[in-house]
Parts: sequence; C-alpha cells; structure tokens
Amino acid sequence: KQEVTQIPAALSVPEGENLVLNCSFTDSAIYNLQWFRQDPGKGLTSLLLIQSSQREQTSGRLNASLDKSSGRSTLYIAASQPGDSATYLCAVLNYGGSQGNLIFGKGTKLSVKP
Amino acid sequence: ETGVTQSPTHLIKTRGQQVTLRCSSQSGHNTVSWYQQALGQGPQFIFQYYREEENGRGNFPPRFSGLQFPNYSSELNVNALELDDSALYLCASSLDLEVSTQYFGPGTRLTVL
Repeated sequence: KQEVTQIPAALSVPEGENLVLNCSFTDSAIYNLQWFRQDPGKGLTSLLLIQSSQREQTSGRLNASLDKSSGRSTLYIAASQPGDSATYLCAVLNYGGSQGNLIFGKGTKLSVKP
Repeated sequence: ETGVTQSPTHLIKTRGQQVTLRCSSQSGHNTVSWYQQALGQGPQFIFQYYREEENGRGNFPPRFSGLQFPNYSSELNVNALELDDSALYLCASSLDLEVSTQYFGPGTRLTVL
C-alpha cells in the first residue's frame, strides 16, 4: 500500500530565504508526482507535475525534483515571500490506479514572515 | 480561475442525516473525482466518475455514493452521517481519464454535530 510522508509538518522562515520541502513515498511504481498548494479553507492549486521518467520540473521560483528509486521528491522555493505562506501537498499516482486516485501526504504548512 | 465550482460552501448537519454536495466541472471536462480532506490531513480519494459511470472507488463505505449527469456535473451523497464525516469535500475535474493536471474546486466544508 502506497504511503506518502511529508517532512517537516510545519516550517516558519523569514522572507527571502531559500527553502526545501520534502516528500517520500513507499512504492516506487508511480506514474507521476505532483506538488499542490492549498490556502486555508480553499481547494488545491497544482504547482508542478513530474512524470516518472523525469528528474525535475521548474516553474518560476519553484523547482521540484524526483528520485523514484529512493522514493523521494523535494520542492525548492527560492527567495521566499509572505505570499508563499500556505500548505504544500505532495501526491503520487500509482501505475494501475485510476486517474483520480492520487495519494496525498499530510502536507507542510509554510509560514514566511515579512 | 479553474472553472470548477462547488456548492454549498459550508454545511452543518446532525448525526444520522443525509447530505448532497454538488460540483460543476470545468467546461469540456468529462471526468470528476471526489476527495475527503479531514482537518490536518491530506485529501483521500472517494471515487471517480467518467461519462456518467463510476470508474474507481477508494476505501469508503457504501453510504458514500455519487452521480454524474449528462452535462458532467456531479453529486456526492452521504447517508447516515457520522461525526467523522466532518471534513472539506473536494471535487476535481479532468478530460478523458488522461493522466494530466486535475482542476480542483474550492471545496464544501461539512460539519456534523
């Protein structure tokens, strides 16, 4: 059974810092991995999608890496801003699962202080 | 804006009651998935509908049921509500079961007293 773990559960940093969020998964037979952002009481916004054959994806100040063999992904946020404060969720899609069957971690709650 | 809408925004029910939550997919999307997100947890997959047929189900009891209509809007029905059903319910739409980015709605916050 696939399990997704995110560390740390919460993180508070001063504005301008570079930071790394971690995600690990127990079954390496994944189809893809996504990073989402969730603002309080709101739905999810997809940030980056990495296919199993890819090593990383970049979008603006965000860079996500994937090491399928070790079951790890990281989300790197450069030059953090107060507007980056949110919960970041990582989710994997297993081979053989229906498209809807994303398996999520519990998230990392990020707070960026001005 | 993703184009996926959900109603109502918030809902309060008591144990044993029944509830219906609604989702309107992004234009052109024929696949909808429903997730339950308890406080402090990640979303958990409930089920998926494709062209009005159920196409996969997570580990949820039969009192969680769904419908998808010809216009691809969708409903989630929960019978015999329990306190643990209190959560944010999210729907997500996509096209033709392709492994692509799903678009999530803002969710419905259900509180069961």
